[in-house]
This record gives sequence, C-alpha cells and structure tokens, in this order.
Amino acid sequence: DSGVTQTPKHLITATGQRVTLRCSPRSGDLSVYWYQQSLDQGLQFLIQYYNGEERAKGNILERFSAQQFPDLHSELNLSSLELGDSALYFCASSVEARGAGYGYTFGSGTRLTVV
Amino acid sequence: GENVEQHPSTLSVQEGDSAVIKCTYSDSASNYFPWYKQELGKRPQLIIDIRSNVGEKKDQRIAVTLNKTAKHFSLHITETQPEDSAVYFCAASKGNDMRFGAGTRLTVKP
Repeated sequence: DSGVTQTPKHLITATGQRVTLRCSPRSGDLSVYWYQQSLDQGLQFLIQYYNGEERAKGNILERFSAQQFPDLHSELNLSSLELGDSALYFCASSVEARGAGYGYTFGSGTRLTVV
Repeated sequence: GENVEQHPSTLSVQEGDSAVIKCTYSDSASNYFPWYKQELGKRPQLIIDIRSNVGEKKDQRIAVTLNKTAKHFSLHITETQPEDSAVYFCAASKGNDMRFGAGTRLTVKP
C-alpha cells in the first residue's frame, strides 16, 4: 500500500456518460497530480493541485475537470466519454509544490473502460 | 517546458547481463531525476533518484549517473533477473514540474 488511495479500481461505462475518479493523497502530501496512461503508452500529465489550488495543467481535455477539496482529496471528472478515453488513470502525490523536486507516490490507478 | 527523451523504447537482455537505459532532458534548471519501475497493470514505483548536485548514486544492483553538462542521465541495472522485467520511466523535475520519458520496456530472458 503506497498510501495514495484511488477509487474505484475499475470502471466500465458507456460512451457519452460522465464519471468521477477519486484520489486521497498520502498523509502529509499537499500536491496531487493526475496522469492518463493509455494501453502501452507513457504517462500523460493531466493536471496538478496544491493545497486546493490548481498549479499546473497538461494535456487535459476540456471535457475533463478536476478539483482538490479542503481535506486534500481530489476528484477527476470525465464527461461526454469517448472510446478513446479508455485508459488507466493514476493519481500521485508529493510533499511540496516548489523548490527541489520530490518523488511522486502513485496510487494503484483506476482502469476506465468506455464501451 | 521540459522535454525528456528516453532510449531505447524496448530492451531485451539475458539473465545476468547488464541493462542500460538513457535519458536526455532539455531544461538546464531541472534538478531532480527519479526513475520509476512499472510492472504490468501496476502503479509506477520510485526505484532510485538523483539530484543535480550528485553525479552518481547506487543502490544494490541499480545505479544512476547524471551528466549535467550534457543534460543526460542513465539507469544501470547489473546482474539482471527475470523480476526486473518491467517498464522503466525516467523523469526530470524542476520544483513541481516533472516530465516523464516515454518509457523503456525491459525484458530479462531466463
């Protein structure tokens, strides 16, 4: 157990639907990052939050949105789902947003299948 | 922004041989370089990291070297074992901005 909790582990839904993925960061970590990993692909950075505020945005589609709540858990909302959105979605957390880098701790991921 | 290139994309070695994966980065301000191992269907896990004030770091069979002048860093795995088979990702970070390489699929043949 890495300390980063993602739910659900698996999600199957139909095209056009909306889903919410949830992430609880490791205790003490203020930053949460969301990544998308399609089959046999690398880690595509979507978005980062630090202590409730959006800090960085990557290749996140307009159909996707995220937020981080006061208790530091984060949710990634995916809407108007398409077949191509099928992927593993990872959440990662780290200690700080600025200064020298720190390693990320990844959650176990949510496998989304759009049918 | 930072751009990280990783080579090779696939690597196959015989058990007991060494494996080397190389990465280059573009932003000279990057100061932290972690390596992650991802087994099939599992989460990426940090296996070793190096900061810009260090040239080499070793942890048992794995080592990482960093050449700041050339802006490249490498992962070395010695005496490879079948359980080393996985996808390995390098990354370069400047503060909260971390960029990953595309990954190397390492296969260790018994």
